[in-house]
Amino acid sequence: DVKVTQSSRYLVKRTGEKVFLECVQDMDHENMFWYRQDPGLGLRLIYFSYDVKMKEKGDIPEGYSVSREKKERFSLILESASTNQTSMYLCASRASQGARSPLHFGNGTRLTVT
Amino acid sequence: GDSVTQMEGPVTLSEEAFLTINCTYTATGYPSLFWYVQYPGEGLQLLLKATKADDKGSNKGFEATYRKETTSFHLEKGSVQVSDSAVYFCALILDTGRRALTFGSGTRLQVQP
Repeated sequence: DVKVTQSSRYLVKRTGEKVFLECVQDMDHENMFWYRQDPGLGLRLIYFSYDVKMKEKGDIPEGYSVSREKKERFSLILESASTNQTSMYLCASRASQGARSPLHFGNGTRLTVT
Repeated sequence: GDSVTQMEGPVTLSEEAFLTINCTYTATGYPSLFWYVQYPGEGLQLLLKATKADDKGSNKGFEATYRKETTSFHLEKGSVQVSDSAVYFCALILDTGRRALTFGSGTRLQVQP
């Protein structure tokens, strides 16, 4: 079974802090994704990566950056955390066998910015 | 752009009731369609999928049929259980272009004993 592991289940940070959310997958997947989940808005794509050192902006990239130095690890960075970034963050990965491969999700990191 | 619209929740049913969660989509091409489920405290899991028109996806008693003429992919189950209580997300992906899924807003299902 594919395992996608997010390093923290809960995080509390202060406004202005730099925040790192880490995600690791163990199935050699090329594609990795960061979504945020908010009530009534569903999942919104922040960034995704289709190869090491490659990244593309999603629908809401403002205030975020990402890093993919190794294939198995995809990090989401909040350069200067703000209260409107309080949310549930979900990492996912997918193999590159066409668009129909399923996404595999981690259990999420609930971030609170105070 | 591409989008997915789901019925708002929560949907509250008694055990053994029939479930329908509506999902319609807008897409510039020919998408593959998915239903994902999120149980409390967990990430999303793939429930079922359909990759072309008239395909029926099914799993764990849930079914959804890809209706191109109505651009819909409604989720159904004949007899729900308390353990089906979760949030259900409809999603699409195109075969070309961006390789990320577009999700609906999610529908919370609460099944009462």
